[in-house]
Amino acid sequence: GGIITQTPKFLIGQEGQKLTLKCQQNFNHDTMYWYRQDSGKGLRLIYYSITENDLQKGDLSEGYDASREKKSSFSLTVTSAQKNEMAVFLCASSISWGPGQLYFGEGSKLTVL
Amino acid sequence: GDSVTQTEGQVTVSESKSLIINCTYSATSIGYPNLFWYVRYPGEGLQLLLKVITAGQKGSSRGFEATYNKEATSFHLQKASVQESDSAVYYCALRGGGSNYKLTFGKGTLLTVTP
Repeated sequence: GGIITQTPKFLIGQEGQKLTLKCQQNFNHDTMYWYRQDSGKGLRLIYYSITENDLQKGDLSEGYDASREKKSSFSLTVTSAQKNEMAVFLCASSISWGPGQLYFGEGSKLTVL
Repeated sequence: GDSVTQTEGQVTVSESKSLIINCTYSATSIGYPNLFWYVRYPGEGLQLLLKVITAGQKGSSRGFEATYNKEATSFHLQKASVQESDSAVYYCALRGGGSNYKLTFGKGTLLTVTP
């Protein structure tokens, strides 16, 4: 088995601040994802990466940057945190093709004061 | 784009009673989508409950079942007799056909099972 580790688990920031979330996986999966989870809105895809050095925008990419530094790691940056923003960010990985399931990390909770 | 609509909000069921959480989908990509149910138990990460990749087939896990109905574009989750330990948030999801890597989720349904 493998595991997905997200850091930090909790992140508190100020309005306008740039904030970075990190994700590591040891499944040796090619594809990695960042989702945002808001209460009552489900999970929305921010960015995904099919392979190392690849980046693809999801449905909610505005206001975010991402970086796939190596196969095992995928970072997400909130470029300018919005006041009173609160959300959970989920990192996931999967094999690159077919109906493979996504494996998720436990999430990083963002609070902006 | 693809979309998933499922029973919204919270569902409360008494222990040993039956459960159905509705899920319908719309897929715009080429080919038939793959369909999934994910679950998040309290204090745990989101995990796969069951998946079905072929239309007309049924998936099952932990006493839950879901049948891929391409005519009705539905993938309802059912269980004949729920337990308190089934209390969790359930998400229906689809992965489009072709070379679509994206998984599109519904908004989630909070199931509370009362003793």
